[in-house]
Amino acid sequence: AQSVTQPDIHITVSEGASLELRCNYSYGATPYLFWYVQSPGQGLQLLLKYFSGDTLVQGIKGFEAEFKRSQSSFNLRKPSVHWSDAAEYFCAVRGGSYIPTFGRGTSLIVHP
Amino acid sequence: DGGITQSPKYLFRKEGQNVTLSCEQNLNHDAMYWYRQDPGQGLRLIYYSQIVNDFQKGDIAEGYSVSREKKESFPLTVTSAQKNPTAFYLCASSVLWDSLQETQYFGPGTRLLVL
Repeated sequence: AQSVTQPDIHITVSEGASLELRCNYSYGATPYLFWYVQSPGQGLQLLLKYFSGDTLVQGIKGFEAEFKRSQSSFNLRKPSVHWSDAAEYFCAVRGGSYIPTFGRGTSLIVHP
Repeated sequence: DGGITQSPKYLFRKEGQNVTLSCEQNLNHDAMYWYRQDPGQGLRLIYYSQIVNDFQKGDIAEGYSVSREKKESFPLTVTSAQKNPTAFYLCASSVLWDSLQETQYFGPGTRLLVL
């Protein structure tokens, strides 16, 4: 079975500071991993995905994520956060099922 | 522009009433999905459809029904049997059903409220 955990419900950062959102997955083999962003009252938009190759994945809006098999993690990072990055972020995994499993989300709050 | 449209943006349901949420895509995708989103619970799958005239129950199908008569349309009906329908409903689609690499594309959502 596949599962994903986002340990942080809320994260608060100052504008211009760096960001790391945590995602831990559970799956026996190499999973397919995704990060989505959701602005308030909107649908989800794909930021990036990983399924093979280079473990550091670049996405849109200046985001990147690193797949670490030894830690079962796929953390999302951004070197300098902008106020417009305030949103809900979801990690998702596909492995044993074609249906992705989503984490509960992390709400990012950006202080000016 | 290609994409997924959902309507209405807000929907109000009275006790004992069935309501239908619309989802249309012009991406020529085979697979479509309905998710329910509640605060702090992430996305939970209600129904999905791999192809026209076929659909499968997801994790929380009780109190909901769907149809897939056309490739581009996948309406969701919230029946009176669903006792706690207040939530944000998201429709999604993907090119294929059976590919682990597939990206899901999401519509803007419908917020359902009970009067």
